Amino acid sequence: QQQVKQSPQSLIVQKGGISIINCAYENTAFDYFPWYQQFPGKGPALLIAIRPDVSEKKEGRFTISFNKSAKQFSLHIMDSQPGDSATYFCAARGDYKLSFGAGTTVTVRA
Amino acid sequence: NAGVTQTPKFQVLKTGQSMTLQCAQDMNHEYMSWYRQDPGMGLRLIHYSVGAGITDQGEVPNGYNVSRSTTEDFPLRLLSAAPSQTSVYFCASSLRTNHEQYFGPGTRLTVT
Repeated sequence: QQQVKQSPQSLIVQKGGISIINCAYENTAFDYFPWYQQFPGKGPALLIAIRPDVSEKKEGRFTISFNKSAKQFSLHIMDSQPGDSATYFCAARGDYKLSFGAGTTVTVRA
Repeated sequence: NAGVTQTPKFQVLKTGQSMTLQCAQDMNHEYMSWYRQDPGMGLRLIHYSVGAGITDQGEVPNGYNVSRSTTEDFPLRLLSAAPSQTSVYFCASSLRTNHEQYFGPGTRLTVT
């Protein structure tokens, strides 16, 4: 079974709106939580990442919120743009291995 | 730097055939890994390597073999292709001390 559960499967947002993607995990040994962005026909690329001793990390319009006690973390895309339309994967790393969520396809309507 | 390269980009196999997917990186990364991507399942780890001569199994290793004779190359071998191995395969690499993984462009494999 998947070690990282991701929701929603897809979402549509208007240009300028906020996209929110949620992930949950069970394994408390995970020590690194990255988000990857993937465009059609391309490999995933690291977008932003956080360690469990930090509750929030912001890079430009992208913010990760991390709740260690609830074993949940989320990605917020502020001021969403059509160029943000892509599939986003959360992941968690433990013992050299990355476990990925199932992915969220984000569509930003102009 | 070319980064992570994968060949071929597309491949069609018949059930029972064998083949090798190639992966190479020119960043001197110790860590390399293979994933398969299937709709609704994200990326699942097949095999990984923390350095030349060292490999280990991931989440879905059955039907696949790997070896790591050099730092640069990490080929994935399908021993006897099955329709269930139809997928997109990604190779990735990173420094052992840095968790950021760089992914290749992928190989789309169809087994009929």
